[in-house]
Amino acid sequence: QVQLKETGPDLVQLTQTLSITCTVSGFSLTTYNVHWVRQPPGKGLEWMGAMWNGGGTDYNSAFKSRLSISRDTSKSQVFLKMNSLQTDDTAKYFCARHWKFGAFDYWGQGVMVTVSS
Amino acid sequence: DIKMTQSPSSLSASLGERVTISCRASENINNYLSWYQKKEDGSVKLLIYHTSRLQPGAPSRFSGSGSGKDYSLTISGLESEDIATYYCQQGYTPWTFGGGTKLELK
Repeated sequence: QVQLKETGPDLVQLTQTLSITCTVSGFSLTTYNVHWVRQPPGKGLEWMGAMWNGGGTDYNSAFKSRLSISRDTSKSQVFLKMNSLQTDDTAKYFCARHWKFGAFDYWGQGVMVTVSS
Repeated sequence: DIKMTQSPSSLSASLGERVTISCRASENINNYLSWYQKKEDGSVKLLIYHTSRLQPGAPSRFSGSGSGKDYSLTISGLESEDIATYYCQQGYTPWTFGGGTKLELK
């Protein structure tokens, strides 16, 4: 069955780089797009960017200068890397599969990342 | 970017009650509107896509409607397992979400 699972650090130091891996199963990264979404504590969901099935990427302009998304199709993994972390980057980070009409049909459980000074 | 405004931000309802949540886009989104349920355990589930299409596995008491800029999610008879926060989302890049509606039991 379709599954997505995020793995990454619980804690990252201020100004350092965050790296999170989304490992997928039950579908191919060359067939489906995968998105990254985050949710700061007490706030709403924020789309960060996407890895297209053809290998291209799309980014929210709010992050474009410090966000990078890549993949390893042989390992069914999508990677998020974001640098220059600030305390307001403390959030739960999710990966999700793109479905029809712009919807995201499967989501990972998310990984909670705290940026500490 | 398309701004999504969801109302109410919180809602208290009784079991069996009919519940409606609204979502307004800052421009016409041509029915590219999805609804998600986020539970306290952190899990996120797609309920409705393309305004009114029920995602397989989602209970049939959930329905969606709307067009243009205005959309709504209705739960025809609230059940205890529906206690969650609900989000609308428009389906054009950059994807944007409503602020959420926290549904609680009265």
